Amino acid sequence: AQKITQTQPGMFVQEKEAVTLDCTYDTSDPSYGLFWYKQPSSGEMIFLIYQGSYDQQNATEGRYSLNFQKARKSANLVISASQLGDSAMYFCAMRGFQGAQKLVFGQGTRLTINP
Amino acid sequence: GAVVSQHPSRVICKSGTSVKIECRSLDFQATTMFWYRQFPKKSLMLMATSNEGSKATYEQGVEKDKFLINHASLTLSTLTVTSAHPEDSSFYICSARSRTSGIITNTQYFGPGTRLTVL
Repeated sequence: AQKITQTQPGMFVQEKEAVTLDCTYDTSDPSYGLFWYKQPSSGEMIFLIYQGSYDQQNATEGRYSLNFQKARKSANLVISASQLGDSAMYFCAMRGFQGAQKLVFGQGTRLTINP
Repeated sequence: GAVVSQHPSRVICKSGTSVKIECRSLDFQATTMFWYRQFPKKSLMLMATSNEGSKATYEQGVEKDKFLINHASLTLSTLTVTSAHPEDSSFYICSARSRTSGIITNTQYFGPGTRLTVL
């Protein structure tokens, strides 16, 4: 079974500061993928970044980077130079590459950027 | 990125009626589609997985006769909520994944969601 844990129900950050959203996971699959999605108030799920378990380097996509520490089973999302438009719910998710390959989500973190 | 559309975006119906929600992958072939349900301020709960041309696989606790899923083509999946009741009111989100090579392979792209309200 797979499990994703996001321990921060809410985060408040000043505009232009960097923010780290925590995510830890547990799985018995030898290979897996980790994802971060952003969900604004409109409800759509926006894909932000992907990290494969065998990728040697941490993934980066513009202002988003994924701090992947495999031994600690953590996949924290780092948003640099936060903007007001970054205010949203953020979900960490993982998918094992064996069996049913279902995408499992964490509880989510509500990020609020203050001006 | 890949685009997934969902229709309708919002629906209000009377108790006892059936509601069909469509999910389309617009610029890729979705060999697998997923249906999620999300309650307010909660995470996404996977309801079922559907592969094109085969029966959907439902998660434990999800009534397959209540939530009918059809994945008739590589670009379309439908979820029908039969005999809807107020407790079925929720935000339903579909997601699609391709088996072809490239970045789409490992990523699930989500539709914009459908907010169902049953009176």
